[in-house]
Amino acid sequence: AQSVAQPEDQVNVAEGNPLTVKCTYSVSGNPYLFWYVQYPNRGLQFLLKYITGDNLVKGSYGFEAEFNKSQTSFHLKKPSALVSDSALYFCAVRGNRDDKIIFGKGTRLHILP
Amino acid sequence: DAGITQSPRYKITETGRQVTLMCHQTWSHSYMFWYRQDLGHGLRLIYYSAAADITDKGEVPDGYVVSRSKTENFPLTLESATRSQTSVYFCASSGGFTSYEQYFGPGTRLTVT
Repeated sequence: AQSVAQPEDQVNVAEGNPLTVKCTYSVSGNPYLFWYVQYPNRGLQFLLKYITGDNLVKGSYGFEAEFNKSQTSFHLKKPSALVSDSALYFCAVRGNRDDKIIFGKGTRLHILP
Repeated sequence: DAGITQSPRYKITETGRQVTLMCHQTWSHSYMFWYRQDLGHGLRLIYYSAAADITDKGEVPDGYVVSRSKTENFPLTLESATRSQTSVYFCASSGGFTSYEQYFGPGTRLTVT
């Protein structure tokens, strides 16, 4: 069965520092991986996805994510955090042999001024 | 404005009542989804639809009914609401399923008393 794990409920980062939000997954076949962000009282917004190709994927708002097949990970990164990056971040995964997309439980990112 | 809308945004109902949550999208996306978001569980898929008149169960379908007579609408009905169905419900759409990102509505906060 496919699954996705976000091991940290909350991540605190000082403004200007690099940030990483972790995600690991388990799927049948090749993975399709997504990151979404949720601001308070809003729906989720798509940030980026990995389907195939380059392991480093660039997305919206300066975010990027690195696909690591051997570690089955897809960590979200940003070189320099902004206070406005504070939000809830979800990793999602679907295997090419599976018919459902599974979301992680989310990681709350706090950027400290 | 184009996009995906949900109504109502907030709803309070009593145990045993029937409740319908509405979802409308203007992109002519083929796929539509219903999720519930609960603390500690992240997002869980309730039902999804690949096209008009085609629906399928997700992870937590019990107690819910969906229909899709038109591509743009995907209502979710709680036939006899229970307190465990108190949650925030999100509708989403996408142009495809395998590698396509989803676009989320603003959510409906439902409280069952």
